[in-house]
Amino acid sequence: DGGITQSPKYLFRKEGQNVTLSCEQNLNHDAMYWYRQDPGQGLRLIYYSQIVNDFQKGDIAEGYSVSREKKESFPLTVTSAQKNPTAFYLCASSIYGGYTFGSGTRLTVV
Amino acid sequence: GQQLNQSPQSMFIQEGEDVSMNCTSSSIFNTWLWYKQEPGEGPVLLIALYKAGELTSNGRLTAQFGITRKDSFLNISASIPSDVGIYFCAGPTGANSKLTFGKGITLSVRP
Repeated sequence: DGGITQSPKYLFRKEGQNVTLSCEQNLNHDAMYWYRQDPGQGLRLIYYSQIVNDFQKGDIAEGYSVSREKKESFPLTVTSAQKNPTAFYLCASSIYGGYTFGSGTRLTVV
Repeated sequence: GQQLNQSPQSMFIQEGEDVSMNCTSSSIFNTWLWYKQEPGEGPVLLIALYKAGELTSNGRLTAQFGITRKDSFLNISASIPSDVGIYFCAGPTGANSKLTFGKGITLSVRP
C-alpha cells in the first residue's frame, strides 16, 4: 500500500543537540511539506519542496533545515538554533493539491 | 498572508447531537478542505469543496462552500464517540498552492 511514513514516533533531544526526523513516501508525489503543530496553534509550515533538489522556507523556518536528494525522502533537521523545539511534527506529500499526511513525530527536549 | 479563522477552539456535545462548525477568511479561497485529526495521528481529508455554493456529503458529514468564497461550514449529524478529534479547515494559498490551515476545533462527544 502507498503511504507516507514518519520515524521515529517519539524522539527525545537534549538541549544543544541537532536531531533529524525522517519522512518517506511511496506515493510518487512531487511535493513534500513539513508542519509543526503546537496546542491551539494549528499547523504551521516549516519548509516545503516542490521538486527534487529544491526547497523553500515556510512561515517558521528559523532553526530548521531540510534536504531533498530523492523524490521519496524529505528529512527535517531540528538544529540547536531552534529555541523551542518541543512539538508535534507532521510531514505531508501532495500531487494536484491533494495532501496526504504521515502519523507525526513528537519531539521533546529534555 | 491569508488566514483561516475557526472558533471556538473547543466544542463539547452529547452523543447523538448534531454539530456545526464554520471557517471564515477575509480573503477568497477557490478550494476549501476539511480535515480531521485523531490524537497522535496526522490529519485525514474528510471533504473537499471546489465550487462556490457546492454542498457535499460524506456519510454523516456535510460541508458547504460559501457563496462569497470566504467561508465554509462542516456539519456532523448524529454524533458518535469516534467523532472526537480536531477538525481543521484548509485552503490553498500563494503561487505554489501551499495549504493554509485554520487553528482547528477540538470536538469532544459525551456518551
